[in-house]
Amino acid sequence: GESVGLHLPTLSVQEGDNSIINCAYSNSASDYFIWYKQESGKGPQFIIDIRSNMDKRQGQRVTVLLNKTVKHLSLQIAATQPGDSAVYFCAEIPTIYNQGGKLIFGQGTELSVKP
Amino acid sequence: GAVVSQHPSRVICKSGTSVKIECRSLDFQATTMFWYRQFPKKSLMLMATSNEGSKATYEQGVEKDKFLINHASLTLSTLTVTSAHPEDSSFYICSATTGSGYEQFFGPGTRLTVL
Repeated sequence: GESVGLHLPTLSVQEGDNSIINCAYSNSASDYFIWYKQESGKGPQFIIDIRSNMDKRQGQRVTVLLNKTVKHLSLQIAATQPGDSAVYFCAEIPTIYNQGGKLIFGQGTELSVKP
Repeated sequence: GAVVSQHPSRVICKSGTSVKIECRSLDFQATTMFWYRQFPKKSLMLMATSNEGSKATYEQGVEKDKFLINHASLTLSTLTVTSAHPEDSSFYICSATTGSGYEQFFGPGTRLTVL
């Protein structure tokens, strides 16, 4: 969903622990979801994506889970490192926008990794 | 590949002046470019979608006469903030797509401060 008016939630983890970042999306017709990482003062960086016909996708140290029943997306980061400290956004593309369509960003979660 | 640049990275201007921000796709042709603004500790809010050679499509609540968008070539889009005021101070981010696939490639952002 969109974040207007909401403060950024924060998640603090110890280095080496696993992190789970959650996102509730708003549009049941969305068929493509992306997780982005944004470091302070920079643009978003693509982390991993998943289509609506999947419920899990794994990358290097990251896993995205999609639960369409409750419109929930999560990003799991294994063995979290200080370099993972950033704000993480989920984003969705509703089906009607097709390819190259506009993204709807979630509110974001600030991940802080303690050494 | 798929690098997007923005210029300038930071700009400070006086109230009432206009500021132009450039967004360039460096190694691909961008059929569509998007402009976002982001306030501190908030999510990205889409301002407008721009397709090369045609007028931009603005999101609800975004003044098209205030935020002029030009997408004159397949590698360049510009956002001009006209008669800027302190409330226009924000982080402006552009993204670009190739037209095949959903992925948007983000620029590094431009920090605008209006005094």
